[in-house]
Amino acid sequence: DAGVTQSPTHLIKTRGQQVTLRCSPKSGHDTVSWYQQALGQGPQFIFQYYEEEERQRGNFPDRFSGHQFPNYSSELNVNALLLGDSALYLCASSFNYRAGEAFFGQGTRLTVV
Amino acid sequence: GENVEQHPSTLSVQEGDSAVIKCTYSDSASNYFPWYKQELGKRPQLIIDIRSNVGEKKDQRIAVTLNKTAKHFSLHITETQPEDSAVYFCAAQTASGGSYIPTFGRGTSLIVHP
Repeated sequence: DAGVTQSPTHLIKTRGQQVTLRCSPKSGHDTVSWYQQALGQGPQFIFQYYEEEERQRGNFPDRFSGHQFPNYSSELNVNALLLGDSALYLCASSFNYRAGEAFFGQGTRLTVV
Repeated sequence: GENVEQHPSTLSVQEGDSAVIKCTYSDSASNYFPWYKQELGKRPQLIIDIRSNVGEKKDQRIAVTLNKTAKHFSLHITETQPEDSAVYFCAAQTASGGSYIPTFGRGTSLIVHP
């Protein structure tokens, strides 16, 4: 079992550009949540996908969007990148959005210059 | 929404000592409280969790206690070892629209000196 996998591991983008991050959930999991973790902070919830639909959304602007595919994998898209978007982006998967336990991927370190 | 406060932000102990990290939460509807360990450059890993119908849970050197009335929960690590050094995050999970979304504390950096 490969667990939760994310790609790429590191990324450098220029302010104003767009970025797409990818996540494959743990085998048997159908729910994917995305988090932003700034340096020295706890993960902040961005949104959650289940059955290819966004179920819940945290306090993030519309520049942050996502998608879930029929195989449960997911993408996070960020448009018009700002310097403040630099962070570790974590994906977590769980079985059923009602479940408590979530498994995290290793994250994508995004640096906006 | 839920608000989780975590203390201390940094905890330094000698190998073999005990370590205690405390968290408080604001939403009485929260019913699931996981603790994650995050080593430098690695993913957060669930180390122990507790549900609101339980007051205490133990797994070897790690234990978590929950006081629903006071809305606080704590992580206890006994006989600390250098490999316990990491950042520990508490979280409180509340159902929102049917989904259970965790709110994380800001983390505690635990340093265990050999």
